[in-house]
Amino acid sequence: EIVMTQSPVTLSVSPGERATLSCRASQSVRSNLAWYQQKPGQAPRLLIYDASTRATGIPARFSGSGSGTEFTLTISSLQSEDFAVYYCQQYNNWLYTFGQGTKLEIK
Amino acid sequence: EVQLVESGGGLVQPGRSLRVSCAASGFTFDDYAMHWVRQGPGKGLEWVSGISWNNGHIAYADSVKGRFTISRDNAKNSLYLQMNSLRGEDTGLYYCAKGGTGLLRPFDYWGQGTPVTVSS
Repeated sequence: EIVMTQSPVTLSVSPGERATLSCRASQSVRSNLAWYQQKPGQAPRLLIYDASTRATGIPARFSGSGSGTEFTLTISSLQSEDFAVYYCQQYNNWLYTFGQGTKLEIK
Repeated sequence: EVQLVESGGGLVQPGRSLRVSCAASGFTFDDYAMHWVRQGPGKGLEWVSGISWNNGHIAYADSVKGRFTISRDNAKNSLYLQMNSLRGEDTGLYYCAKGGTGLLRPFDYWGQGTPVTVSS
């Protein structure tokens, strides 16, 4: 099983500032990496797939980078609606795994 | 508009069985892989099982292998998860998620989930 480790567990950032979230895989997943956003009481929403491609309707302030074992999700200028929990997920093999999540909170 | 609507969750005693369902609409169901993902109370996301468009490829997380069975009925645009020998750690919200036309793709649509509680 590929283990996905996200850091930090909690990130406190002020609105308008940049947020950088990290995800590390225990072995290479190439670019088969997605990011999801989940708000309280809601289902997860796909933000980024193939490590750096924004999903349909996702604002340009969200960007993803990385390949292999190290990945980053950057939110360039935080809006109030961006405060949520973010998960990375690898789909390099059929035992899909998620990271434990990073909670992005208002500073 | 893509819609995934889960049903069948509820309270069940340890060791018993339960089947949850997902009704899909708004896309060509039999073109896509489908998955179940669960989320324990206050916890993160855990992929449970996935099935390819034609049942040719099925996989399970180690935590449910041998106890859960995924299936689909393309004529009814429906996905199922048969859960046997349920344990307390199976408690959570069970989401149905749409995969891609290929085997290794992310999940672009999710249902709202159906809650399963395993308790005596």
